[in-house]
Amino acid sequence: DAGVIQSPRHEVTEMGQEVTLRCKPISGHDYLFWYRQTMMRGLELLIYFNNNVPIDDSGMPEDRFSAKMPNASFSTLKIQPSEPRDSAVYFCASSPQTGEAFFGQGTRLTVV
Amino acid sequence: EDKVVQSPLSLVVHEGDTVTLNCSYEVTNFRSLLWYKQEKKAPTFLFMLTSSGIEKKSGRLSSILDKKELFSILNITATQTGDSAVYLCAVRTGNTGKLIFGQGTTLQVKP
Repeated sequence: DAGVIQSPRHEVTEMGQEVTLRCKPISGHDYLFWYRQTMMRGLELLIYFNNNVPIDDSGMPEDRFSAKMPNASFSTLKIQPSEPRDSAVYFCASSPQTGEAFFGQGTRLTVV
Repeated sequence: EDKVVQSPLSLVVHEGDTVTLNCSYEVTNFRSLLWYKQEKKAPTFLFMLTSSGIEKKSGRLSSILDKKELFSILNITATQTGDSAVYLCAVRTGNTGKLIFGQGTTLQVKP
């Protein structure tokens, strides 16, 4: 397996634009997590899914953020409209029911 | 509210030193505690601990969990410059599978 695959690796966008981040988890993993990492706040859990169903989205900062998982092999995190304070590295991770989570390489988002 | 707290937040040592990183947690329905190492890219997995008192070891790194006192330590002996990284502690809850991270400890090993 190629591991967790995220795209794009880098995204630079203007304030107000819509941003969509994509993630392909490891095949067979039941859980998918979206995290945001900044120097100030560390690694924050935004939302996670179990068997494609969102379990807890309490970490999503605002209504501008939304996430979907239409099937077991794909998830998106959307920010609309984007703001400069959304600039961060966004990680997707997947895991089986028990065991460790594996991370994608992240998407570095810059909103100018 | 579930939380994971790491200490110290940063640490500077010299090659050959031994370091101990701490992780305390407060969560409902604990399942496991995990340690990760993060260099410039994504976190990479080091250890998963589920039982108290059983040491996990990999080379110069070792870790142990105390479920009564709700903490874990990560030891690194004979540190090398390549150990410089952010070390992250995470806790998995048993009922919902949530995985939450501490703030991380930034370790710098000087030659």
